[in-house]
Amino acid sequence: EPEVTQTPSHQVTQMGQEVILRCVPISNHLYFYWYRQILGQKVEFLVSFYNNEISEKSEIFDDQFSVERPDGSNFTLKIRSTKLEDSAMYFCASSEEREDTQYFGPGTRLTVL
Amino acid sequence: DAKTTQPPSMDCAEGRAANLPCNHSTISGNEYVYWYRQIHSQGPQYIIHGLKNNETNEMASLIITEDRKSSTLILPHATLRDTAVYYCIVRAQFSGNTGKLIFGQGTTLQVKP
Repeated sequence: EPEVTQTPSHQVTQMGQEVILRCVPISNHLYFYWYRQILGQKVEFLVSFYNNEISEKSEIFDDQFSVERPDGSNFTLKIRSTKLEDSAMYFCASSEEREDTQYFGPGTRLTVL
Repeated sequence: DAKTTQPPSMDCAEGRAANLPCNHSTISGNEYVYWYRQIHSQGPQYIIHGLKNNETNEMASLIITEDRKSSTLILPHATLRDTAVYYCIVRAQFSGNTGKLIFGQGTTLQVKP
């Protein structure tokens, strides 16, 4: 069964460093999402992406964040200068169409020291 | 904010049916009810969704009241592996929706031997 994959599973970085989180959505899916979950808190929407453009972004998704689909399979989330409060689980999701079910990856745990 | 209300926690005996309620009294006509679960800190896992008819798949059944203001997710024979946080999410289809999911706190289901 097709699934969303994410790498790395755990990323440790120093404050101020850039990180890139990678996702491989399900192959025929056209809509891509990033969510994050700070330990003990709710899963929060960050950004949705379709046709090489951001469809919607939350207040969390400020200028330090960017997303890209660099090729036909990968979808990346970049944090330019990490802060301590960026420590969280980051989940990628994809869906075939906008209104279809979203399927989530296993997540990347980002730890900022 | 999430448009659903769920009890924060529930217990269920292994092998028995787990009935997880969700209140969505402000649901609109074009909004579906989705259920996801999150086992430990893994990515949310899709379970089932419905609009107004009851739905069943290999994982669960979804019972939606006639006025659509509430629903119940039924796991017919709960196992220890069903211990998770269960999220009930209402989501509009079509009409400018970018597809984002808005998660609440969910219900922590503890299946006990």
